[in-house]
Amino acid sequence: AQSVTQLDSQVPVFEEAPVELRCNYSSSVSVYLFWYVQYPNQGLQLLLKYLSGSTLVESINGFEAEFNKSQTSFHLRKPSVHISDTAEYFCAVPFTGGFKTIFGAGTRLFVKA
Amino acid sequence: ETGVTQTPRHLVMGMTNKKSLKCEQHLGHNAMYWYKQSAKKPLELMFVYSLEERVENNSVPSRFSPECPNSSHLFLHLHTLQPEDSALYLCASSRSDPGDGYTFGSGTRLTVV
Repeated sequence: AQSVTQLDSQVPVFEEAPVELRCNYSSSVSVYLFWYVQYPNQGLQLLLKYLSGSTLVESINGFEAEFNKSQTSFHLRKPSVHISDTAEYFCAVPFTGGFKTIFGAGTRLFVKA
Repeated sequence: ETGVTQTPRHLVMGMTNKKSLKCEQHLGHNAMYWYKQSAKKPLELMFVYSLEERVENNSVPSRFSPECPNSSHLFLHLHTLQPEDSALYLCASSRSDPGDGYTFGSGTRLTVV
C-alpha cells in the first residue's frame, strides 16, 4: 500500500533562512512524487514533481526536492525563504494504475520577518 | 478562461437547505475530483469521475450527491447538511496520465449553520 508521511505539521522560519520540509513515502512499486503548495484562501498548485531521471528537481521559485530511494524520502528545500513563501505544502504520491493520489497531511510554513 | 473555476467561492447554508457547488475546467482533462479539506485534517477524496463515469466514491454520506454531465463540468449537490460538513471543498481535474498531476480550483468555503 502507498502512504505519505509529512513529519512536521508546522515550520516557523525567519526570512532569508534556509528551510527543509520533510516527506517520506511508502510504496512497493515505482513512484511518482509531487509537492503541491496552497497559499491562503486558494486551492493547491503543483510546485514540482519527480517522475524519473535526475533525482533533483527544481521549481521556478527556488524550491528543490531530491528523490532518495534508499531513504524513501522526497524532502523539499529552499536556501533562502521569503515572506511570500508562507503557505501550506503537501507531499503527494499518485497511484500509477488509476486516478487516485495519496496526499500527506501538509506542513504549514510560516516565514517571519 | 483557463484553469479550474469553482463557484460560489463562499456559501453559508442552513441544515435544511439545498444548494449546489459548481466546477468547470477548460483544460481538456478527462478526470474530475471532489476533495474535502477540513481544519487540522488531511485532504479527503470524495468522488472521482473519469470520462463522466464515477470511478470512486469514498463512503461519502448520501447528503452529498455528485453530478458530471460532461467532461468539463462537475457539480456537488448538497442537502440536509450537518455543521461538521463545514469545510473547504476543492475541485480538481487531470488527464489520465498520473505523472501530470492535478489542477485545482480555488475552492468553495462552505459554512453550515
